Amino acid sequence: DTGVSQNPRHKITKRGQNVTFRCDPISEHNRLYWYRQTLGQGPEFLTYFQNEAQLEKSRLLSDRFSAERPKGSFSTLEIQRTEQGDSAMYLCASQGQENTGELFFGEGSRLTVL
Amino acid sequence: TQLLEQSPQFLSIQEGENLTVYCNSSSVFSSLQWYRQEPGEGPVLLVTVVTGGEVKKLKRLTFQFGDARKDSSLHITAAQPGDTGLYLCAGFGLTGGGNKLTFGTGTQLKVEL
Repeated sequence: DTGVSQNPRHKITKRGQNVTFRCDPISEHNRLYWYRQTLGQGPEFLTYFQNEAQLEKSRLLSDRFSAERPKGSFSTLEIQRTEQGDSAMYLCASQGQENTGELFFGEGSRLTVL
Repeated sequence: TQLLEQSPQFLSIQEGENLTVYCNSSSVFSSLQWYRQEPGEGPVLLVTVVTGGEVKKLKRLTFQFGDARKDSSLHITAAQPGDTGLYLCAGFGLTGGGNKLTFGTGTQLKVEL
């Protein structure tokens, strides 16, 4: 399968714990995006990378959130000191043709903070 | 302030009926996309529209882009249960807004037998 891969698919954690999600984009795609989505709502932009460079971060991305893409391939999204409000689906997408809205999404990582 | 508003938010219809979903933007994007998302999955691209007044057809789905490139509609003819899902419009390349996709509020469609 050469699509976007995310893991874990589901994560249940206690408030205050740290969690990390991983995204493996389509191999030849240079841009990688992270979004957050709550039930029944449209995804909200968090951040995106061009190769290893993080080019934009949303104001939604508090200082408890950090994303990396160290070698320009896979990316990680870490949430420190999780709060119940962090419960959501975290979606990763990669983009093959730059400057288009054609993103390829993974299946997401669902986070539940108890 | 939500840049892209969709209506209706929820839609429940019977198989065979027609429906239209609307997407209205307060800004102009470089392009507008429609995605469909099923439970537990990521959104999947249906179509991209770029030119004002553009109409695209994908089997029973017809997409229109307004002349001013600020509104769009998705019309489904003879809906089937397989059309059930969350329909999302999304704008790309907002002037001064960088190279990101901004999603609408979503329309949850349920088609029943």
